[in-house]
Amino acid sequence: GQSLEQPSEVTAVEGAIVQINCTYQTSGFYGLSWYQQHDGGAPTFLSYNALDGLEETGRFSSFLSRSDSYGYLLLQELQMKDSASYFCAVPNNNAGNMLTFGGGTRLMVKP
Amino acid sequence: AAGVIQSPRHLIKEKRETATLKCYPIPRHDTVYWYQQGPGQDPQFLISFYEKMQSDKGSIPDRFSAQQFSDYHSELNMSSLELGDSALYFCASSKDRSNSPLHFGNGTRLTVT
Repeated sequence: GQSLEQPSEVTAVEGAIVQINCTYQTSGFYGLSWYQQHDGGAPTFLSYNALDGLEETGRFSSFLSRSDSYGYLLLQELQMKDSASYFCAVPNNNAGNMLTFGGGTRLMVKP
Repeated sequence: AAGVIQSPRHLIKEKRETATLKCYPIPRHDTVYWYQQGPGQDPQFLISFYEKMQSDKGSIPDRFSAQQFSDYHSELNMSSLELGDSALYFCASSKDRSNSPLHFGNGTRLTVT
């Protein structure tokens, strides 16, 4: 089976940088994705890493280390609108996108 | 740009009733997924369809069934509803099955009383 661990809550101030970590245990590895979800809203895709290293998309970056079964999402120049839950997720197999999500990290951005 | 459309947005049912949730995927997306998300929890995969055929099954109760129609829309049918079925139900679609991002609809909030 698949399991993912991430911190339940993180607090940071506007303009700061925050890193949300994710460790995973999988029977096979087919990439690590990150999704953002505002309260009552739909999960929205942020980033995907299939290979080791850093992927940058604007203020958000995602990193993967397959040897450590570890990844993180880096949010820079935090804005109030970044307050949301962030989920890491892995596919269960290589023939589909049946994702298993981590428990989610609730990010609170304060003024 | 077109998004995944779900209906209804809110649904209130009583125990032991049935419910049908509908999903219209993004045009030309060939894979549809259903997820259930309880309060404060992560989304749990229920079932998926690829080109109108069921492709993967997750933690979907036997009381639930789903299908995808010729026009690619999908329906999740839920019978003998229980209080514990109260949750947000998301439909998502993707361009293909090989790690394409999932595009989620706004969800149906089901409340069972």
